[in-house]
Amino acid sequence: QITLKESGPTLVKPTQTLTLTCTFSGFSLTTTGECVAWIRQPPGKALEWLALIFWDNDQRYSPSLQSRLTVTKDTSKNQVVLSLTNMDPADTATYYCAHRNDEFDYWGQGTLVTVSS
Amino acid sequence: EIVLTQSPDFQSVTPKETVTITCRASQGIATSLHWYQVKPGQSPKLLIKSASQSISGVPSRFSGSGSGTDFTLTINSLEAEDAAAYYCHQSSSLPNTFGQGTKLEIK
Repeated sequence: QITLKESGPTLVKPTQTLTLTCTFSGFSLTTTGECVAWIRQPPGKALEWLALIFWDNDQRYSPSLQSRLTVTKDTSKNQVVLSLTNMDPADTATYYCAHRNDEFDYWGQGTLVTVSS
Repeated sequence: EIVLTQSPDFQSVTPKETVTITCRASQGIATSLHWYQVKPGQSPKLLIKSASQSISGVPSRFSGSGSGTDFTLTINSLEAEDAAAYYCHQSSSLPNTFGQGTKLEIK
């Protein structure tokens, strides 16, 4: 059974860096083909794809956020970490991590991050 | 970047009706198109993968079709619990993208 769970701050100030951790079980990012995604949803708005990290450490980012976004993995802890710099109120959203099997078949519960001074 | 355009943006329907939501891709994506249901306060739920493949545990009233640029999600015999937002997602190329969503209201 695959499960994922996001953790991190619920409130960040403008210009700060957001760091979120996705802790997962039921698969390993050392296994060929495995991949974890980050997706977010601002309140009342659509889902937005942010990034992917593959088992071979290949990372892919949304072009609109690429300069601010980094995703890393710690395979010993079964964790993926998202870092988003220079946070802005427009980055207020529920952030999800998901297991990617081409489609996103398993999702974390999501964590609402509010950007406000 | 592939743009996915869903229609309609909003639909109000009565129980037992059949609803069709469409998703049009700005370029061909074969069948790399997936559908999700999002209810308030819940994580997205995968409904259909690869345009038409059913997902274990998803009611059979949900079905998908299409290939290339035009795709459809059909919900037969709507139930009150189907009130939600529905999103298509393409995995054909990076960056992956989502449609803008369709909000379904059950009268």
